[in-house]
Amino acid sequence: NAGVTQTPKFQVLKTGQSMTLQCAQDMNHEYMSWYRQDPGMGLRLIHYSVGAGITDQGEVPNGYNVSRSTTEDFPLRLLSAAPSQTSVYFCASSYFPGAGISPLHFGNGTRLTVT
Amino acid sequence: DAKTTQPPSMDCAEGRAANLPCNHSTISGNEYVYWYRQIHSQGPQYIIHGLKNNETNEMASLIITEDRKSSTLILPHATLRDTAVYYCIVSTSGGGADGLTFGKGTHLIIQP
Repeated sequence: NAGVTQTPKFQVLKTGQSMTLQCAQDMNHEYMSWYRQDPGMGLRLIHYSVGAGITDQGEVPNGYNVSRSTTEDFPLRLLSAAPSQTSVYFCASSYFPGAGISPLHFGNGTRLTVT
Repeated sequence: DAKTTQPPSMDCAEGRAANLPCNHSTISGNEYVYWYRQIHSQGPQYIIHGLKNNETNEMASLIITEDRKSSTLILPHATLRDTAVYYCIVSTSGGGADGLTFGKGTHLIIQP
């Protein structure tokens, strides 16, 4: 059981470049989400999805796009990378609605540096 | 989601029980208490959750006070691999539409 798989593990971009962070889960979870974690801070929600074809914004959505064409995959796109987007990005999934009983399963993160 | 208060750091000797406190005095009746941990450079890992009753699983025990304003996570026999940041979170959804609010947590250091 692979759980939540994120690729790549590391990425360096130049300002203005675009890229897609991949996230896949094999647990048939309806809910998927993206968080970013900056040094000394907790995780902050970027975007989330409650099922294929449905996405919504979290706390810090600016500069990021998402789509959910399948249950398994939830890619995060950086349209024009900025140094402020240097961070560790985590993808998470769970059953939905969780109703308090469905904890999040996290991937091991993508470490992004924008120069 | 209600806020939580945790000590920034704690030490525990290997083999002893680690007791991590959490205050959540503004918790509402439909909010669960969740505990996650994050080992260096890895994604957060779910540990346990509860609503009113004490809970136990293969990783830990969760003790919730009768008034639900505080809780304690107990790792019964701590090992060096339990060194991590532990997050106490209260949530109605377990992380659904609202996401989970991760504060700064408690950095637990297990000493050999």
